[in-house]
Amino acid sequence: QLQLQESGPGLVKPSETLSLTCSVSGDSLSSGSHYWGWIRQPPGQSLEWIGSFFYGGNTYYNPSLKSRVTISVDTSKNHFSLIVNSVTAADTAVYFCARQWKYDILTAYYSFDYWGQGALVTVSS
Amino acid sequence: DIQLTQSPSSLSASVGDKVTITCRASRSISTSLNWYQQQPGKAPKLLIYGASTLQSGVPSRFSGRGSGTDFTLTISGLQREDFATYFCQHSYSTLLTFGGGTKLEI
Repeated sequence: QLQLQESGPGLVKPSETLSLTCSVSGDSLSSGSHYWGWIRQPPGQSLEWIGSFFYGGNTYYNPSLKSRVTISVDTSKNHFSLIVNSVTAADTAVYFCARQWKYDILTAYYSFDYWGQGALVTVSS
Repeated sequence: DIQLTQSPSSLSASVGDKVTITCRASRSISTSLNWYQQQPGKAPKLLIYGASTLQSGVPSRFSGRGSGTDFTLTISGLQREDFATYFCQHSYSTLLTFGGGTKLEI
């Protein structure tokens, strides 16, 4: 059974760096079978895709966040990480990690089929 | 960017009702449309992918239709556990976006 679990500080000061880790069990990030991504949800709002990576392949970022965001992977620990630099109150959100499943090989269409429970990060001094 | 507009933003219904939620894309996205259900304080759950294919384990009272720019999610015979917020999401381009959500209330 695939499981994802986010971890990291729940409080970050403005202008500082937000750092979260997603630990994966039940699948190997280095298998190269799936994309893996980060999505966030500000309180009371909709979902915003942050970025996704494919081990040994490309990493894609939301252009609105690209200048401040980095996604990296540690296959020895089977986890991947998110860094958001220079945070402001607008970065306050629940951050989810998820598996991005290619359900249509011909068209390369994806859905997020497994999600972590989410981690609330508040940006405040 | 491809924008997804959901309507209505909120919807009141009763157990046993049939409801339909609409998601409209700003340009054609073929069938690259997914639907999710989110309970308060929980992660979204994949209901339907490819516009109309039911994810494994999802009850058959959920159904999806559409292609191009107009899509619908229908729930036939609402159950108490269906009262939640629903989101659509596309994967037509590398910039993935979600709709604004529809809150289904009793």
